[in-house]
Amino acid sequence: EAGVVQSPRYKIIEKKQPVAFWCNPISGHNTLYWYLQNLGQGPELLIRYENEEAVDDSQLPKDRFSAERLKGVDSTLKIQPAELGDSAVYLCASSPAASASTDTQYFGPGTRLTVL
Amino acid sequence: KQEVTQIPAALSVPEGENLVLNCSFTDSAIYNLQWFRQDPGKGLTSLLLIQSSQREQTSGRLNASLDKSSGRSTLYIAASQPGDSATYLCVAGGQNFVFGPGTRLSVLP
Repeated sequence: EAGVVQSPRYKIIEKKQPVAFWCNPISGHNTLYWYLQNLGQGPELLIRYENEEAVDDSQLPKDRFSAERLKGVDSTLKIQPAELGDSAVYLCASSPAASASTDTQYFGPGTRLTVL
Repeated sequence: KQEVTQIPAALSVPEGENLVLNCSFTDSAIYNLQWFRQDPGKGLTSLLLIQSSQREQTSGRLNASLDKSSGRSTLYIAASQPGDSATYLCVAGGQNFVFGPGTRLSVLP
């Protein structure tokens, strides 16, 4: 079974440029998460989808970040414009159940973003 | 707001030692507590998941315990091996998943 796929693995951009990250969850997983991980810290949730609905986006900086999950499968996270402080690893995860309280999450390898 | 801390931040031990990693959380209203492993440049791998009604879970050389009333969980690794070297993160699963900062473990051959 294929795991969570993310692309690109690495991205280097200049500040004020836009950037997009793509995630393909494990087949059949209804719940999808985007996390941000800074160096030496644990991941922080940005947004959680159940199917195509964003059920928790309270931590997403909506002035510059946006996300979508068309047809409840793949998801894209966008930053426009990027700032120096956005440099981090962006992780995507998925889990099987619509209720995330009982299932573990399966993580992709992440996209390492560097903003110059 | 849930806050999760982990002690120690880093740990270096010789191969074969038994060790304990600690995790504390401030809000006991959790559904579960999970332990993940993260290798450099890679995503996270789930090790153990303890439901709120459980006290512990075991997998091979790993044993995790949960004490909701005191807001603590421990991960016990028996007979450590160099391949155990990684960062270990605990996650409090409630309304959201809140990660601790991790413990960076190095097991020396």
